[in-house]
Amino acid sequence: DAKTTQPNSMESNEEEPVHLPCNHSTISGTDYIHWYRQLPSQGPEYVIHGLTSNVNNRMASLAIAEDRKSSTLILHRATLRDAAVYYCIRHAGGTSYGKLTFGQGTILTVHP
Amino acid sequence: AAGVIQSPRHLIKEKRETATLKCYPIPRHDTVYWYQQGPGQDPQFLISFYEKMQSDKGSIPDRFSAQQFSDYHSELNMSSLELGDSALYFCASSLGRRSYEQYFGPGTRLTVT
Repeated sequence: DAKTTQPNSMESNEEEPVHLPCNHSTISGTDYIHWYRQLPSQGPEYVIHGLTSNVNNRMASLAIAEDRKSSTLILHRATLRDAAVYYCIRHAGGTSYGKLTFGQGTILTVHP
Repeated sequence: AAGVIQSPRHLIKEKRETATLKCYPIPRHDTVYWYQQGPGQDPQFLISFYEKMQSDKGSIPDRFSAQQFSDYHSELNMSSLELGDSALYFCASSLGRRSYEQYFGPGTRLTVT
C-alpha cells in the first residue's frame, strides 16, 4: 500500500504555529494528499486535502512541495483542542475509491 | 448537523459468539466504510459499500460480513469471535465513493472475553 512517513511525535505551545511534516517520496501524479486527525476517544476527522497547489481551509493550511515528495500541515495557532494524532494519507485513485490507508501518524502535544 | 450514528457504542461478547454492529450514515450519504482500530494501533480499512453494493475490500476476516441496506444504513456481522477481535470499530460515510472527505462515527468498542 501507499506509504507516507511522519515523525512519531511533536510538541507545541498554545497559540503558536505548528508545522507537521510528511514525506511521500513515491507518490504518483494522481495521488492526493489527505490529512485526518484523531482526537482522544473519537473517530478520525477530516482536516484538509490537496493535489499540487497549497490549500487553505478554516482548520489548517496544506503546503505541498513542488516535486510533491513531501507536504506540511500547518496549524496557524495551536489550541489545546488540537492535541491529537495527525495522519498524512496518500489517496490513490483508480479502483481504491475512498479507502483510507492509515499509517503511523504524528502525536501532537500542545502545552498551555 | 447530523452525524454518523453507530450502535451499540459498547459491546461485550464471549469467544465464539456473534456480534452485529450497525451504522447509520449522514442523511443523503450513499457510501459507507468500516474500519477496525485495535488497542494502540492505527485504523485499518475493512470494507466499503456504495449504493448498496460492495465497493472495496480490505483486510476483513472471512468470519466477518457486511452489507448496506436500501435506507443506506450498514451492518457489520462478526461470527466466531476471537480475543483478537477486541477493538474499536468505526463507520464512516461520504457522498459518493470518490469523495475526498469521510465523516466518521464515534465508534463501537467491542470487547471479546
